[in-house]
Amino acid sequence: ETGVTQTPRHLVMGMTNKKSLKCEQHLGHNAMYWYKQSAKKPLELMFVYNFKEQTENNSVPSRFSPECPNSSHLFLHLHTLQPEDSALYLCASSQDWDEQFFGPGTRLTVL
Amino acid sequence: EDKVVQSPLSLVVHEGDTVTLNCSYEVTNFRSLLWYKQEKKAPTFLFMLTSSGIEKKSGRLSSILDKKELFSILNITATQTGDSAIYLCAGVSGSARQLTFGSGTQLTVLP
Repeated sequence: ETGVTQTPRHLVMGMTNKKSLKCEQHLGHNAMYWYKQSAKKPLELMFVYNFKEQTENNSVPSRFSPECPNSSHLFLHLHTLQPEDSALYLCASSQDWDEQFFGPGTRLTVL
Repeated sequence: EDKVVQSPLSLVVHEGDTVTLNCSYEVTNFRSLLWYKQEKKAPTFLFMLTSSGIEKKSGRLSSILDKKELFSILNITATQTGDSAIYLCAGVSGSARQLTFGSGTQLTVLP
């Protein structure tokens, strides 16, 4: 158990649905991250939150909308996704710049 | 643009063999290099390297960083089937608090 939890673990949604992914960290860290991992591609950083302020978004499409209500919780709101958005979505947290601890991920399938 | 390249992309060995995984990086304002092991779920942290020439060890695993030549290696001695996984390295950019991951090396250890 890494101290970072994600729900749901699996999600199947249609292209017109709206859903949210949730991440919670119990490590007292000050930064949280969303990553996307597609088959046979490196991990892609989507969003970084530091002290609840978004600092990086790496040109992610607007159909992905992050929310960080406090330093322990992070959400990724999804709407009108495309089939190519199907992937493993990983949340991570860190204290300062370095070692990141990952959650178990949400396996997303967009039909 | 930051870049991390890992080689080989995949490797198949037999139990008891020793393997060396390679990671070269080009990261602006480089802060550290991280190694992760990823099985079926999220990556788990192995090593963080910040200083050149200092070997980090954990059991049968060891890693070293060369900041002049911009690369790192991960060694695994006396491999076991449980070492089968994807091994990821990531460069940390201190200015952007960003990790750039390589595509990983898929290691398969046969009994």
